[in-house]
Amino acid sequence: SQQGEEDPQALSIQEGENATMNCSYKTSINNLQWYRQNSGRGLVHLILIRSNEREKHSGRLRVTLDTSKKSSSLLITASRAADTASYFCATPGVGTYKYIFGTGTRLKVLA
Amino acid sequence: DTEVTQTPKHLVMGMTNKKSLKCEQHMGHRAMYWYKQKAKKPPELMFVYSYEKLSINESVPSRFSPECPNSSLLNLHLHALQPEDSALYLCASSPREGGTEAFFGQGTRLTVV
Repeated sequence: SQQGEEDPQALSIQEGENATMNCSYKTSINNLQWYRQNSGRGLVHLILIRSNEREKHSGRLRVTLDTSKKSSSLLITASRAADTASYFCATPGVGTYKYIFGTGTRLKVLA
Repeated sequence: DTEVTQTPKHLVMGMTNKKSLKCEQHMGHRAMYWYKQKAKKPPELMFVYSYEKLSINESVPSRFSPECPNSSLLNLHLHALQPEDSALYLCASSPREGGTEAFFGQGTRLTVV
């Protein structure tokens, strides 16, 4: 399977704390994307990092990419209850239309 | 308009029924996707349409039949489904092949009884 792995599978933190989730993938990539899914509904795109980038920021989100280790991490700083969701990394296959999703991290932020 | 609209939101169907899921986008995206998602699992790719032609079929059983009538619409025709086909069905679109973000609809929650 091309599917990536994410860890932890589940994470529970207090509001205001930082949350870090990791993604490992198997294939060569042009970019890696992170998505959020609330309560089993649609996925929302959070951030895209290209293979020639090592770090990217967007608001309270910080994403790193290590292509030599085929891994990425998503850091959410100063978490809020509204950040409670599942987070997936996605790796579009090179030259294809396939977005392959990682196994996901279920984040719960306690108020 | 940056929305992908899916209808219906919920669907309950019997194993002998025929039903269709619909997906619409008006962003001018040329790639459209169907994903299936079971509880606590990641979305699994089913079909990809590129420029209104079926580009990828991930070995999906023939009881699922996709259709792309035009560049804005994507249908998924369902026939003789099994209870294990109960899942969240997600439609997505992207401007082109997988180098950009994908936009997802809110999904159709399908229950097969």
